[in-house]
Amino acid sequence: DAGVTQSPTHLIKTRGQQVTLRCSPISGHKSVSWYQQVLGQGPQFIFQYYEKEERGRGNFPDRFSARQFPNYSSELNVNALLLGDSALYLCASSWQPRETQYFGPGTRLLVL
Amino acid sequence: GENVEQHPSTLSVQEGDSAVIKCTYSDSASNYFPWYKQELGKRPQLIIDIRSNVGEKKDQRIAVTLNKTAKHFSLHITETQPEDSAVYFCAASRQVPGSNYKLTFGKGTLLTVNP
Repeated sequence: DAGVTQSPTHLIKTRGQQVTLRCSPISGHKSVSWYQQVLGQGPQFIFQYYEKEERGRGNFPDRFSARQFPNYSSELNVNALLLGDSALYLCASSWQPRETQYFGPGTRLLVL
Repeated sequence: GENVEQHPSTLSVQEGDSAVIKCTYSDSASNYFPWYKQELGKRPQLIIDIRSNVGEKKDQRIAVTLNKTAKHFSLHITETQPEDSAVYFCAASRQVPGSNYKLTFGKGTLLTVNP
């Protein structure tokens, strides 16, 4: 039984570039949430999607956007990258938004 | 919004001893409190969670207690083993219809179990 998968595992970008991160939830899970984890801190909520609709957004600028596809996979897009966007980006899936969230391995983004 | 404070930031214990990590939350409407364990370079893994309709939950060597009045909850690990060494995160969430069910995390506790 596959867990949450994310791609790519690592990514190096330069300031001003754009990045797309991908997440595949556990089979049967319809809700996907995105979190940013800066080194030494707890994950911070970015977005939640359920049934392809945005259900919540954290305190992140409009440079961050996301979407969920009919197969419940999701993409997180970040435009105009800043050095401060360097972090581990975690995707979590759950059967429904109020159920337990299971995390993927994350995508480690480095902005130079 | 919700704010979760976690203490201590680091904790070192001898193998076989108990470890306790404490968290406080600010939003009295929060009603779901999971704990995640994150080993270096790995994903956060749920180890135990508790909802506000119970005061304590136990799973083998791990237990969580919740005091809604004081707005704090704690993780207790008994008979610690070296493989318990990791960063532990507490989180809080408001799980009511219409909310976004987001998890607000503490800053984490680095637990080191010395053999």
